[in-house]
Amino acid sequence: QKEVEQDPGPLSVPEGAIVSLNCTYSNSAFQYFMWYRQYSRKGPELLMYTYSSGNKEDGRFTAQVDKSSKYISLFIRDSQPSDSATYLCAGGKPGGSYIPTFGRGTSLIVHP
Amino acid sequence: DVKVTQSSRYLVKRTGEKVFLECVQDMDHENMFWYRQDPGLGLRLIYFSYDVKMKEKGDIPEGYSVSREKKERFSLILESASTNQTSMYLCASSLQGGAETQYFGPGTRLLVL
Repeated sequence: QKEVEQDPGPLSVPEGAIVSLNCTYSNSAFQYFMWYRQYSRKGPELLMYTYSSGNKEDGRFTAQVDKSSKYISLFIRDSQPSDSATYLCAGGKPGGSYIPTFGRGTSLIVHP
Repeated sequence: DVKVTQSSRYLVKRTGEKVFLECVQDMDHENMFWYRQDPGLGLRLIYFSYDVKMKEKGDIPEGYSVSREKKERFSLILESASTNQTSMYLCASSLQGGAETQYFGPGTRLLVL
């Protein structure tokens, strides 16, 4: 079992929909959680970073971490066609190897 | 903003050739990483480096080597390219002592014929 699991999709939604992207993880030592967005044929770019449990909001994006259930979510409000990309989640442990563990990514398609 | 650049966006090489992929970051990050990314397999760590002249093997180091002679530069070397090394190669960097937040370059798509 991979330490971070994501449904590869594709997830297809109409423009304006609320999108929910999810990951589960198995390593209880994870304290840091990241979401990356990767457009086709480009490198991943950091979208959201959270520490421990709770929510973090940035514009249309909200990251949510539930450590009790080992569940990570990214919500996108008022989704746009420009949000079409692959979204990678990642978890990291503090004070150690400084290497996050990535999920394989979920492909999101927002159609006009 | 952190900027990570990679020497080539696209490369086409022949089997058996020696291939150099170079990565440069401009934010004085201690940590640098090389990944390959393949459909359905996600990101796989090849090598990483915590400091100049230091290197550590990742999950799939076979067939690759690396060099870090300067803090800002991390090179990936394919000693004798093979067709199964056709992939997207991604370089990343991160700050030592902070969170494991990595910043990625644009990637190099390598095709080995």
